[in-house]
Amino acid sequence: DAKTTQPNSMESNEEEPVHLPCNHSTISGTDYIHWYRQLPSQGPEYVIHGLTSNVNNRMASLAIAEDRKSSTLILHRATLRDAAVYYCILRDVFGGGSNYKLTFGKGTLLTVNP
Amino acid sequence: DGGITQSPKYLFRKEGQNVTLSCEQNLNHDAMYWYRQDPGQGLRLIYYSQIVNDFQKGDIAEGYSVSREKKESFPLTVTSAQKNPTAFYLCASSGDRGGVGQFFGPGTRLTVL
Repeated sequence: DAKTTQPNSMESNEEEPVHLPCNHSTISGTDYIHWYRQLPSQGPEYVIHGLTSNVNNRMASLAIAEDRKSSTLILHRATLRDAAVYYCILRDVFGGGSNYKLTFGKGTLLTVNP
Repeated sequence: DGGITQSPKYLFRKEGQNVTLSCEQNLNHDAMYWYRQDPGQGLRLIYYSQIVNDFQKGDIAEGYSVSREKKESFPLTVTSAQKNPTAFYLCASSGDRGGVGQFFGPGTRLTVL
């Protein structure tokens, strides 16, 4: 299974941009890069996903390196509500391409200071 | 409102007892998943189901069982064979079998006394 590497924790100030890095040097050509976040005692929440091109949505932006061996989740203006654990995940494909699963690592704990 | 519900939020059981965790979704999703989360750790996949009447083992299926008799329901039974069942259990569903954009329930915290 392709794995991801993220820093254990990061800190940011409110209303400043946050760049959360993720390394995935063993990514295969058909792996999608997913980002989820989890607030304390809640289920994870989907943030964004992409394959090769950079992606934007209302929550964040995803910047993917040209060689796809790394990516960065960008929160343009951090708020206190963005404090959470952020997971970078590669979508595994197995079972003849008809079955999929997401493998969650420990993620990055983001602290946002007021 | 569409979403996923899990009940109960907190569950206590005595060692040696089986217990069933409920998961219901009204999103009309085909795929459903059960994860386990231990303190400070990521999620680990227990079982998943891509369609009614079909399910597959995940990475840590031993000591657990599931059923998928209806599209909207995917209950998880924690059996007495599960050696360390105390954990936070999360149910998820997805509108495509690829698992893109999984929606998670609020979770059930199980404590074995």
